[in-house]
Amino acid sequence: QLQLQESGPGLVKPSETLSLTCTVSGGSISTSNYYWGWIRQPPGKGLEWIGSISYSGSTYYNPSLKSRVTISVDTSKNQFSLKLSSVTAADTAVYYCARPWVVWGRGTTVTVSS
Amino acid sequence: EIVLTQSPGTLSLSPGERATLSCRASQSVSSSSLAWYQQKPGQAPRLLIYGASSRATGIPDRFSGSGSGTDFTLTISRLEPEDFAVYYCQQYGSSPFTFGPGTKVDIK
Repeated sequence: QLQLQESGPGLVKPSETLSLTCTVSGGSISTSNYYWGWIRQPPGKGLEWIGSISYSGSTYYNPSLKSRVTISVDTSKNQFSLKLSSVTAADTAVYYCARPWVVWGRGTTVTVSS
Repeated sequence: EIVLTQSPGTLSLSPGERATLSCRASQSVSSSSLAWYQQKPGQAPRLLIYGASSRATGIPDRFSGSGSGTDFTLTISRLEPEDFAVYYCQQYGSSPFTFGPGTKVDIK
């Protein structure tokens, strides 16, 4: 059974870079035709798609975040990662990784604060 | 960007009642690429419906989706206690993929 698990710092300082990793278990990230994605949810608010990546590294991002986002994949580790630069308090959220759109991780809370 | 609007914002119903949730898109959703999710506090969203009307694996048949173009509906035929939650629609046919603001179904 495919499972996803987010990991990374729970606290990031303003202007720094948020870095998260999603580890895929129970299946290979290299399975063709699948994309892998990141979605976030600020406290008490709705869901926002951040971006997606294929196993071969093809990416597409939400234009609202594109200038600050990098998503990469490491097939040798069965992981994909998110980097979000120049963070502010508005980036405080629960961050989910997913294999769109059936399988989701449990989410990890990231707080941006000094 | 396709903007999704959900109504009502909150739906107060009793167990056993029928729930009808609406999702309207600012432009046509391609190939009926419309999904519905259920989310409970502290949990990740759970896919209920994809392709506007196909139930995801393991989803009870009291959940049904319908619609096309710009108007979509999620119907829960008879509410069970575990169905009280927030429901989101999402379009995944056109990037950026977008979600509606959600409808909260709470106990009357």
